[in-house]
Amino acid sequence: EAQVTQNPRYLITVTGKKLTVTCSQNMNHEYMSWYRQDPGLGLRQIYYSMNVEVTDKGDVPEGYKVSRKEKRNFPLILESPSPNQTSLYFCASSSPYDGSPYNEQFFGPGTRLTVL
Amino acid sequence: GENVEQHPSTLSVQEGDSAVIKCTYSDSASNYFPWYKQELGKRPQLIIDIRSNVGEKKDQRIAVTLNKTAKHFSLHITETQPEDSAVYFCAASNRGSTLGRLYFGRGTQLTVWP
Repeated sequence: EAQVTQNPRYLITVTGKKLTVTCSQNMNHEYMSWYRQDPGLGLRQIYYSMNVEVTDKGDVPEGYKVSRKEKRNFPLILESPSPNQTSLYFCASSSPYDGSPYNEQFFGPGTRLTVL
Repeated sequence: GENVEQHPSTLSVQEGDSAVIKCTYSDSASNYFPWYKQELGKRPQLIIDIRSNVGEKKDQRIAVTLNKTAKHFSLHITETQPEDSAVYFCAASNRGSTLGRLYFGRGTQLTVWP
């Protein structure tokens, strides 16, 4: 089954304790992205990756890191989490190179993070 | 970059009535406009999309219209049902220049009262 998976689904942590949220897709998509969702603010892009070893900042990258060592995986790293990073996080993937000029994006199930 | 604005932020309708959500975009090069539905606690799911070479698309009770000149597009839901209650997001994209990036509106909380 074609899907995007994220782990963990729920995480409660404390300020300053490094954490990683994993994201994996099995659709051979080149493009992957991380969003955070906060009430009233919609989906804001944190980082995105066009392909292996190619990453770039989205609209709200401060306090986050990413890496893209393999095509299927795109982990989100919070090296020193703070309470303002409490949010719902979504990973997404798509394929800009499938021959279509259009772009359906597939979302993971979400990770609800609470930083105390 | 692209800027997508969505209105209204909340919408309440009686079951059976129609609901309309409107979005505007700023980049005239955008050519793909998807709509996502997000139920409480779930991921956004694509419900319909429209591409810049058409002005309207329908799928059962859902329709989307696009006005490229005015740079706005709308989602229309007819004969609403309680299960239509969710947050709806519009988005815009131009694969030619931004490849995979989608620019989202802030969402509309639709509540359908029985």
